Amino acid sequence: AQKVTQAQTEISVVEKEDVTLDCVYETRDTTYYLFWYKQPPSGELVFLIRRNSFDEQNEISGRYSWNFQKSTSSFNFTITASQVVDSAVYFCALSEATGGGNKLTFGTGTQLKVEL
Amino acid sequence: DTGVSQNPRHKITKRGQNVTFRCDPISEHNRLYWYRQTLGQGPEFLTYFQNEAQLEKSRLLSDRFSAERPKGSFSTLEIQRTEQGDSAMYLCALSNQAAANEKLFFGSGTQLSVL
Repeated sequence: AQKVTQAQTEISVVEKEDVTLDCVYETRDTTYYLFWYKQPPSGELVFLIRRNSFDEQNEISGRYSWNFQKSTSSFNFTITASQVVDSAVYFCALSEATGGGNKLTFGTGTQLKVEL
Repeated sequence: DTGVSQNPRHKITKRGQNVTFRCDPISEHNRLYWYRQTLGQGPEFLTYFQNEAQLEKSRLLSDRFSAERPKGSFSTLEIQRTEQGDSAMYLCALSNQAAANEKLFFGSGTQLSVL
């Protein structure tokens, strides 16, 4: 069975600091997909990024970057020059290709607090 | 705007009562999912529909839970004889495709409190 571990329950940083959110996953499938979602206080989860298991290329989007390493089963998320608006709960999630549909297995989330 | 409307936003009920939640896609999506999220946890998959067909149900979905999507558009999730352990946020999500890599569009959820 698949599993996603986000060991950091809560992180507090001061605005403009860089912060990395860790994600470690477990799966027996050779084809799988990894996601990050953001959950602001309003409640709805917002999609940030997806990677497939065959694409280990790191990705940068503005202040966001993602480091996918199959060797360590990790998919870490870095926010550069954090801002107060980045405060939210961030979830890492896994979907297996053989599972049918897009049933996500989520981690327990990391609460990020960015203070002035 | 995520394209998903969920009602009500909050529901308080007494143990043993039945409750029903509704999910209304604002635009057409083939797949509709229900997830449950308890405090401090990530969402957990409950069930999903391809149009009006319910294709899979999680072991988490006891026989007190029933979901429908009668015309392949809106969906309802009913919990009968609620228990305190049912207290959670119930999230509806949509996707356009059936692929496992398809991103989901989530609603804001219905927060259920069972007293």
